[in-house]
Amino acid sequence: SQKIEQNSEALNIQEGKTATLTCNYTNYSPAYLQWYRQDPGRGPVFLLLIRENEKEKRKERLKVTFDTTLKQSLFHITASQPADSATYLCALDFDTGKLIFGQGTTLQVKP
Amino acid sequence: DTAVSQTPKYLVTQMGNDKSIKCEQNLGHDTMYWYKQDSKKFLKIMFSYNNKELIINETVPNRFSPKSPDKAHLNLHINSLELGDSAVYFCASSQAGADQPQHFGDGTRLSIL
Repeated sequence: SQKIEQNSEALNIQEGKTATLTCNYTNYSPAYLQWYRQDPGRGPVFLLLIRENEKEKRKERLKVTFDTTLKQSLFHITASQPADSATYLCALDFDTGKLIFGQGTTLQVKP
Repeated sequence: DTAVSQTPKYLVTQMGNDKSIKCEQNLGHDTMYWYKQDSKKFLKIMFSYNNKELIINETVPNRFSPKSPDKAHLNLHINSLELGDSAVYFCASSQAGADQPQHFGDGTRLSIL
């Protein structure tokens, strides 16, 4: 069965640095890969979507890459701020409309 | 003007009871979902409706019954609650199509005593 792995350990970085979060998957490459942000006690909030035939997507300080050979997506936040502290979830969609989520990585940005 | 709203936010009840969670979206989306997030934070889809029709039904016990009276509402009824049902339940909505972002409510935390 399809597995998605995100670093279960929290990522701690200093304000102003670039945070890089990893999403690895097994078996088949998804048609779409999405990244969400989740704050404590809140629902996930959509950030970016990248398609199977796209290598990179950017939105303001966010960048997502998608490498179907490595079966990996990287999520970067440049010039990180304490307000970026949250849990970040990657989700795969095999063109079915059904999202399969990873367990998320918690990012802590220290001032 | 919350986009996806679910009620109640907290639900504490005894084992064996029946309870319902309501969800409404004002985004004009055609598709709505129910997810369960367990204590390990895994978010798993349970059901999906498109224009009031069930399109995704994961291997969920039949004690869980979704109902969509119209495309803006998707409710979840749970019969004979068990300890293992304790979790946070999220409602979400999206435009139809696999490449559409999903908009989530803030969850209902269900605790079974």
